[in-house]
Amino acid sequence: DTAVSQTPKYLVTQMGNDKSIKCEQNLGHDTMYWYKQDSKKFLKIMFSYNNKELIINETVPNRFSPKSPDKAHLNLHINSLELGDSAVYFCASSPGDSLNTEAFFGQGTRLTVV
Amino acid sequence: GQQVMQIPQYQHVQEGEDFTTYCNSSTTLSNIQWYKQRPGGHPVFLIQLVKSGEVKKQKRLTFQFGEAKKNSSLHITATQTTDVGTYFCAENQGGKLIFGQGTELSVKP
Repeated sequence: DTAVSQTPKYLVTQMGNDKSIKCEQNLGHDTMYWYKQDSKKFLKIMFSYNNKELIINETVPNRFSPKSPDKAHLNLHINSLELGDSAVYFCASSPGDSLNTEAFFGQGTRLTVV
Repeated sequence: GQQVMQIPQYQHVQEGEDFTTYCNSSTTLSNIQWYKQRPGGHPVFLIQLVKSGEVKKQKRLTFQFGEAKKNSSLHITATQTTDVGTYFCAENQGGKLIFGQGTELSVKP
């Protein structure tokens, strides 16, 4: 069973479109994240949610809107896609307590905006 | 927040050679985690270091946390082709993982 699963794995879309990426974790973790990995492999945190509540929003354009219907799900909706949004987006989760901070990553969604 | 600097960005080695990647911070790190990302894959947690001067080993991998908790290193002895990938250090800063830039390791058979 996949611990953190995100769909789709690949997404090719035109500029200006709106798209969503879904993420689910079955680990019972309290904290979930979205990370963006650019072409140079740099991993940058976008959002962090703890028990459905937004904890961190790292100066991400408001075209990106995360939604957490419950603590096992954190979806990412992107409006008006731009060329610069092309990247690999990773969902991750962690237990959320101060001692146990290991993050489990999903397989990634490779987004290509054309 | 503080940034964790990681070097080198790339390392090409012959199979059997050793490899080391370093992470440095200008301020004290509360902890350091290491992750490995295989080509086309996702980051996978390797280890967490918390104590000053801590050294942990996993088979051919040795992880160190500096005495001043401002630097950390990952050393691989006698690299194998299965070691190929990008190695990241990361610090947990108040609930968010801040990653170093990563070191991409390639191993020539």
